[in-house]
Amino acid sequence: EAQVTQNPRYLITVTGKKLTVTCSQNMNHEYMSWYRQDPGLGLRQIYYSMNVEVTDKGDVPEGYKVSRKEKRNFPLILESPSPNQTSLYFCASSLSFDRVGGYTFGSGTRLTVV
Amino acid sequence: DQQVKQNSPSLSVQEGRISILNCDYTNSMFDYFLWYKKYPAEGPTFLISISSIKDKNEDGRFTVFLNKSAKHLSLHIVPSQPGDSAVYFCAASSTSGTYKYIFGTGTRLKVLA
Repeated sequence: EAQVTQNPRYLITVTGKKLTVTCSQNMNHEYMSWYRQDPGLGLRQIYYSMNVEVTDKGDVPEGYKVSRKEKRNFPLILESPSPNQTSLYFCASSLSFDRVGGYTFGSGTRLTVV
Repeated sequence: DQQVKQNSPSLSVQEGRISILNCDYTNSMFDYFLWYKKYPAEGPTFLISISSIKDKNEDGRFTVFLNKSAKHLSLHIVPSQPGDSAVYFCAASSTSGTYKYIFGTGTRLKVLA
């Protein structure tokens, strides 16, 4: 089944403790992206990647890092999480930045930083 | 500055009637628009799209209308079904812009049986 898989689905962590949210897609998609969803703010892009080893900042990149060493994986790294990073995170992918059909999204990771 | 706005946070409609979800944008460079549907505990799923060269696109019960002069698009669902109850996001992108979609804040649709 073609899908984007995120792990974990739920995570509670403490301020300052480094964490990684994994994202993997099995569709050979070139384009991958991370979004966060917050009440009243919709989905905001954190980082995106056009292809392996090519990443760039989205609208809200502060406090996050990403890497794209392989086509299928696009992990999101929080080096020193803070409570304002408590949010619902979505990974998405598409064949290219191809507008037809948009993205395929993962099921989300709900992160709580205390 | 919110470039894509969905001013109605929620909407309730009777089953069988028409649901109309609205979206406004401010950036005249946007030329491609999508609607996504999101159920609780799931990621958004693509619903329907429209290019700025069109003013209407239809897919079954779903129709998207684009009014470029008003910078407004709407999603019509006819007839509405209880399974349509979800949060709907509109998103916009620009051919000449950066590689991303700008999403609205979402409208929660509840279809009453």
